[in-house]
Amino acid sequence: GENVEQHPSTLSVQEGDSAVIKCTYSDSASNYFPWYKQELGKRPQLIIDIRSNVGEKKDQRIAVTLNKTAKHFSLHITETQPEDSAVYFCAASTKLSFGAGTTVTVRA
Amino acid sequence: DAGVTQSPTHLIKTRGQHVTLRCSPISGHKSVSWYQQVLGQGPQFIFQYYEKEERGRGNFPDRFSARQFPNYSSELNVNALLLGDSALYLCASSFVMKSGRASGELFFGEGSRLTVL
Repeated sequence: GENVEQHPSTLSVQEGDSAVIKCTYSDSASNYFPWYKQELGKRPQLIIDIRSNVGEKKDQRIAVTLNKTAKHFSLHITETQPEDSAVYFCAASTKLSFGAGTTVTVRA
Repeated sequence: DAGVTQSPTHLIKTRGQHVTLRCSPISGHKSVSWYQQVLGQGPQFIFQYYEKEERGRGNFPDRFSARQFPNYSSELNVNALLLGDSALYLCASSFVMKSGRASGELFFGEGSRLTVL
């Protein structure tokens, strides 16, 4: 099955700075790569996703890049705000194997 | 429009007991997946059901079983509970296109938090 590794496990950034989270996957057949945000005590919610036929996708302050050759993809959050503080999970493949999560803390 | 609903939201069991968790998908979604989320970790895939058939199974023992009903709701059953089964159990539904291919995006419920004593 798919194996997804996510780094870093924790990330602290100053408000207004950028945050980058990286994930690698093992199954070259994976073709769908979503990112979920989970606030404390709440359900994971999709924030952005990318399919294997594109290399980059952007939605306002959030962007995702995909390198299929290297089997890694990254989440970029620009101009971070306190409400961006949460746990972020990457996932790969249609049955969605999740990474272990990155706890992002945005310092005011 | 209601999202994915799960019940119960919280429950406490003792070792050796069994538990049944329930999930109702978003209206129009025919695929339901179950995940186990242990505190501090990412969701771990348990099962996926589509059109009442098991379409995928994660690395979980046979104590875990599930089924999907004609109305696309689903149950997750866990027998002979162990302390390590304590976790948040998330149900997620997704839309399946006419081609039979899943759209990809999962919509999660709030989860059922199981504590095994």
